[in-house]
Amino acid sequence: DAGVIQSPRHEVTEMGQEVTLRCKPISGHDYLFWYRQTMMRGLELLIYFNNNVPIDDSGMPEDRFSAKMPNASFSTLKIQPSEPRDSAVYFCASSLYRAGTEAFFGQGTRLTVV
Amino acid sequence: GESVGLHLPTLSVQEGDNSIINCAYSNSASDYFIWYKQESGKGPQFIIDIRSNMDKRQGQRVTVLLNKTVKHLSLQIAATQPGDSAVYFCAENRRGGGADGLTFGKGTHLIIQP
Repeated sequence: DAGVIQSPRHEVTEMGQEVTLRCKPISGHDYLFWYRQTMMRGLELLIYFNNNVPIDDSGMPEDRFSAKMPNASFSTLKIQPSEPRDSAVYFCASSLYRAGTEAFFGQGTRLTVV
Repeated sequence: GESVGLHLPTLSVQEGDNSIINCAYSNSASDYFIWYKQESGKGPQFIIDIRSNMDKRQGQRVTVLLNKTVKHLSLQIAATQPGDSAVYFCAENRRGGGADGLTFGKGTHLIIQP
């Protein structure tokens, strides 16, 4: 397996624009997580899914953020409208067993909002 | 409140020496802990894990120690190599009161001196 695949690797956008980050989890993994990493706040869990169903989105900072998982092999994280403070590295991770164990991370998407 | 934190943001060691990275956690209900390694430009990579019913676990050149009495976790790396240079995160599996995903500490940057 190629591991967790995220796209794009880098995204630069203007404030107010819509941004969509994409993730393909490891095949067979039932859990998918979206994290955000910044120097100030470290790694923060935004939302996670179990069997394509969002279980907890309490980490999503605002209504501008939304995440979907239409099928077991694809998830998106959307920010609309984007703001400069959304600049961060966004990671997608997946795991096979119960939530949070042995999560495998993608390479991340570095988002810069100017 | 519940938190996972690291004592030292930067640790510098000589190549060949042993490294010890420390982590404190505050949620006594956490039952699973993981150490991740993150190299520049990459996602976190699983190193070793330990469950709360254990106090020590060994891997290849790495050992994790868990002291539940003082809520302390440490990662020992034997014979540190240049390739060990990275940021190391401890993470706990938080139970109750929110997301059932991994909660990460801020990270310790391990620097290997030649």
